[in-house]
Amino acid sequence: GEDVEQSLFLSVREGDSSVINCTYTDSSSTYLYWYKQEPGAGLQLLTYIFSNMDMKQDQRLTVLLNKKDKHLSLRIADTQTGDSAIYFCAERAYNDYKLSFGAGTTVTVRA
Amino acid sequence: GAGVSQSPRYKVTKRGQDVALRCDPISGHVSLYWYRQALGQGPEFLTYFNYEAQQDKSGLPNDRFSAERPEGSISTLTIQRTEQRDSAMYRCASSLRTSSTDTQYFGPGTRLTVL
Repeated sequence: GEDVEQSLFLSVREGDSSVINCTYTDSSSTYLYWYKQEPGAGLQLLTYIFSNMDMKQDQRLTVLLNKKDKHLSLRIADTQTGDSAIYFCAERAYNDYKLSFGAGTTVTVRA
Repeated sequence: GAGVSQSPRYKVTKRGQDVALRCDPISGHVSLYWYRQALGQGPEFLTYFNYEAQQDKSGLPNDRFSAERPEGSISTLTIQRTEQRDSAMYRCASSLRTSSTDTQYFGPGTRLTVL
């Protein structure tokens, strides 16, 4: 979506941390999501964060939100080959239902 | 329980033909959404249902596109007189209700190719 931007590619060594970045422009964005897309599968929701939070941690995943800069990041600790996929950032305004997605970041994990 | 299912998974059609894409949401989910995803892009919103009512169709590109959900469960997205530019992945999602906190769960999508 035009309101959400992501870098297109990320290559990371197995075992290292991956950091995927996203910027959004809509100041009313209240809910921000990270989805994972693997070949032949649907979009899998990984995690989400509300705009009144700065950080959320869920096992190997850490989401950081800088609301002032409208910047969202997803950190994957101890990246594994199964983490190779396309990761989409999406935003949703308060009381809205439409998700606006970025173009996706293709993460490639190399041995 | 079962997730969102879509059929067919792949559809190849000739320009000018009509196609119908089916979405079966998670049981009990009130809200259903259709998105279209072009190659190399993220999904873009097409339309949304709350129960059987189509609440928003602002994302449908033109009047060749229509959707229905007559009994508040299964939904069909129909594209009439298909054109090559309609080629894309069509994704369906459902959520328990239309609340801003509700998660949208996506199906595997239907890959449409118009020759």
